[in-house]
Amino acid sequence: AQSVTQPDIHITVSEGASLELRCNYSYGATPYLFWYVQSPGQGLQLLLKYFSGDTLVQGIKGFEAEFKRSQSSFNLRKPSVHWSDAAEYFCAVGGYGGSQGNLIFGKGTKLSVKP
Amino acid sequence: EPEVTQTPSHQVTQMGQEVILRCVPISNHLYFYWYRQILGQKVEFLVSFYNNEISEKSEIFDDQFSVERPDGSNFTLKIRSTKLEDSAMYFCASSGRAYGHTEAFFGQGTRLTVV
Repeated sequence: AQSVTQPDIHITVSEGASLELRCNYSYGATPYLFWYVQSPGQGLQLLLKYFSGDTLVQGIKGFEAEFKRSQSSFNLRKPSVHWSDAAEYFCAVGGYGGSQGNLIFGKGTKLSVKP
Repeated sequence: EPEVTQTPSHQVTQMGQEVILRCVPISNHLYFYWYRQILGQKVEFLVSFYNNEISEKSEIFDDQFSVERPDGSNFTLKIRSTKLEDSAMYFCASSGRAYGHTEAFFGQGTRLTVV
């Protein structure tokens, strides 16, 4: 069955520290992978996406993610976290073609940032 | 920057009543989606819509739900007889091309509260 696992429900990091949010997926075909961020009371904003090519993808707000097919992972990283990064982060997987918007989301990781 | 807009931002309704959630997708997009997020849970796919018909739907999207694109700009989700468990944030999304590399853009959501 297709699924996305985000093993960390809540992570707290200090401002300026590095961050890695984990995401593992199970998908039968070539996956298209996404990270979305949701600030309190807001919608979902796309941080970055992987479709093909270079397995290290850069996104907005200084985030990057690395696709590792052998580990079925797509972990999100940021070298130095800012207080404004406090939000909930969702990893999602989708398919090619018309079903690209039929995304399967993980349960999310809530990020708190300590001053 | 083009965006997906949803109205209303918050809707309170009595159990058993019909509600219509409205969305204006990005103007040149071809695929439209509804997702929901029950409080504290993950975002779940409900339905995708292309070429004036449903292209895919999840188990959640039962007979009480329907979608419509009544004109060239709006995309609506109707819940015929709301239940308490329909209380959730409902997200509309749209994506560009039918095939190829394109991601879904999400609206800010409509929070539906059934009392």
